[in-house]
Amino acid sequence: SQKIEQNSEALNIQEGKTATLTCNYTNYSPAYLQWYRQDPGRGPVFLLLIRENEKEKRKERLKVTFDTTLKQSLFHITASQPADSATYLCALDRAGGYNKLIFGAGTRLAVHP
Amino acid sequence: NAGVTQTPKFQVLKTGQSMTLQCAQDMNHEYMSWYRQDPGMGLRLIHYSVGAGITDQGEVPNGYNVSRSTTEDFPLRLLSAAPSQTSVYFCASTQPTGNTEAFFGQGTRLTVV
Repeated sequence: SQKIEQNSEALNIQEGKTATLTCNYTNYSPAYLQWYRQDPGRGPVFLLLIRENEKEKRKERLKVTFDTTLKQSLFHITASQPADSATYLCALDRAGGYNKLIFGAGTRLAVHP
Repeated sequence: NAGVTQTPKFQVLKTGQSMTLQCAQDMNHEYMSWYRQDPGMGLRLIHYSVGAGITDQGEVPNGYNVSRSTTEDFPLRLLSAAPSQTSVYFCASTQPTGNTEAFFGQGTRLTVV
């Protein structure tokens, strides 16, 4: 079955450093991959989408890479701030389309001043 | 522009009771879906709809019913609540193009005792 893995342990970094989160997937070749941010008690909020034919996507301090050979996406936050502290979710489109997403369990990021 | 609105935010049910979780969106999106989120697990798809009058099962549909009489509304019904349905439920909507972001509601935290 289609499976997504994200680092289950929280990532703790110092303010100003670059945070790198990993998303690995198996048994599938998705057409695109999405990253969401989720704050406690809130719904996920879309951040970035990258397609299978794109190697890298950037938005302000965010960068996403997509390696279809390694079946991996990396999500980077440069010049991190305490306000970036949240859980970050990776999501892939499910086979059959219709934007039915498969989500990873998420990685919690804590940025310390 | 309210986006996706879910009600109620919190609910406690007794085993065997039934209830309906409400979801409404004002973005004229064709696609709507329901997910549940449990600790340590990714969001899992319960049911989805690609338009008014059309619904289908997701990954974990047992114990839940849906209907889509209008584009705006997509209620989720628990027929006979069980403790295993204790979870946080999220409704999402998307454009029909299949590779665009999903907009999520704030979630309903349901406890079945």
